[in-house]
Amino acid sequence: DAGITQSPRYKITETGRQVTLMCHQTWSHSYMFWYRQDLGHGLRLIYYSAAADITDKGEVPDGYVVSRSKTENFPLTLESATRSQTSVYFCASSERSGGDYSYEQYFGPGTRLTVT
Amino acid sequence: DQQVKQNSPSLSVQEGRISILNCDYTNSMFDYFLWYKKYPAEGPTFLISISSIKDKNEDGRFTVFLNKSAKHLSLHIVPSQPGDSAVYFCAAGDSGSARQLTFGSGTQLTVLP
Repeated sequence: DAGITQSPRYKITETGRQVTLMCHQTWSHSYMFWYRQDLGHGLRLIYYSAAADITDKGEVPDGYVVSRSKTENFPLTLESATRSQTSVYFCASSERSGGDYSYEQYFGPGTRLTVT
Repeated sequence: DQQVKQNSPSLSVQEGRISILNCDYTNSMFDYFLWYKKYPAEGPTFLISISSIKDKNEDGRFTVFLNKSAKHLSLHIVPSQPGDSAVYFCAAGDSGSARQLTFGSGTQLTVLP
């Protein structure tokens, strides 16, 4: 499928478990992002990547790890899940369009994660 | 401290009338602004954007206005349709910051038939 996909779409896990959320895009966009959406907070940036092997922290990185060995994949790992990480997670990608202000990001469908 | 604020959590409008969604920002480094629309169980979809060198941008029924001196932007939808019912997020970015966006908390728009 073309575009940006996330898996799984729904996940229930227990406190302390490691869980990995997958994100795959077919556009070869350079930039990829992970956000979490919580009521009253909108979308908050967890981590982002400007290219393969280049990642950096966003606003709320604690408890999360990312990697980007290939341009098209950007997995997000919760090393030891906590209840406060119950949220909806969105992956997004973006590409520079030379010289203009096209900074839009394209979002995946989201993963709803519940930590019990 | 929220750098992008949407102070109205919800808005109801009659079909055919104008919907006006508002957004305020505090960071003077922001130089581009976007609006996203989100339906339940889906990812946000890009709607319209504006750079700081403009004060207005139109795309069909959607118009975004930017008032830099007030650090305020608004999205106008005319005429509003029931299919426009969704959560609308405004987002802002600094062109020197690796294409990161800062999002507001969203406004739930309900268009009543």
